[in-house]
Amino acid sequence: KNEVEQSPQNLTAQEGEFITINCSYSVGISALHWLQQHPGGGIVSLFMLSSGKKKHGRLIATINIQEKHSSLHITASHPRDSAVYICAVRLMYTDKLIFGTGTRLQVFP
Amino acid sequence: ETGVTQTPRHLVMGMTNKKSLKCEQHLGHNAMYWYKQSAKKPLELMFVYNFKEQTENNSVPSRFSPECPNSSHLFLHLHTLQPEDSALYLCASSQQALVGLANTGELFFGEGSRLTVL
Repeated sequence: KNEVEQSPQNLTAQEGEFITINCSYSVGISALHWLQQHPGGGIVSLFMLSSGKKKHGRLIATINIQEKHSSLHITASHPRDSAVYICAVRLMYTDKLIFGTGTRLQVFP
Repeated sequence: ETGVTQTPRHLVMGMTNKKSLKCEQHLGHNAMYWYKQSAKKPLELMFVYNFKEQTENNSVPSRFSPECPNSSHLFLHLHTLQPEDSALYLCASSQQALVGLANTGELFFGEGSRLTVL
């Protein structure tokens, strides 16, 4: 069992739909990252969380430390949101990041 | 443009070649990372450098040799690689708050170097 599990693995949506991607982890962490990877490889950091909730435009990320769970929400989804979304956790007291396998999102017009 | 530049973007090499991947960051960060992304696998941490000192080596084979001459530059020297080393190699940087503490800074990634070993 991976230390970081994401669900779903694949997700398709119609433009305008509300999207939720989940991440669960089983280790002690100092922070959780949500990353976006477009075809071609480049990765962009969306959020870094250690508690609570953050919002940036149409993206919202939440984390529940007690339940070891985080969610990434996309409101009013758009085809340009199509990408792989990756959850990564930073192990406590280390520089080590452990990554989930990613959620491939496709948003159709 | 994330402020982290990787070269080359694509590299094809034979198993007996020696090549290097280069990463440069213009963000003033003091921590740099090499990650490997193989097909259908999660990103794997390879090396971490904080303040030019290597702080993590994630059991990487010695055919991969990192070099960090200063806080802005990171190299990955490659020699006698195997076809299974073909992957996307990603560099990242972040800002560490204090020496000796784990890094809690946001990560900034380069576009990656796609390596094919024949």
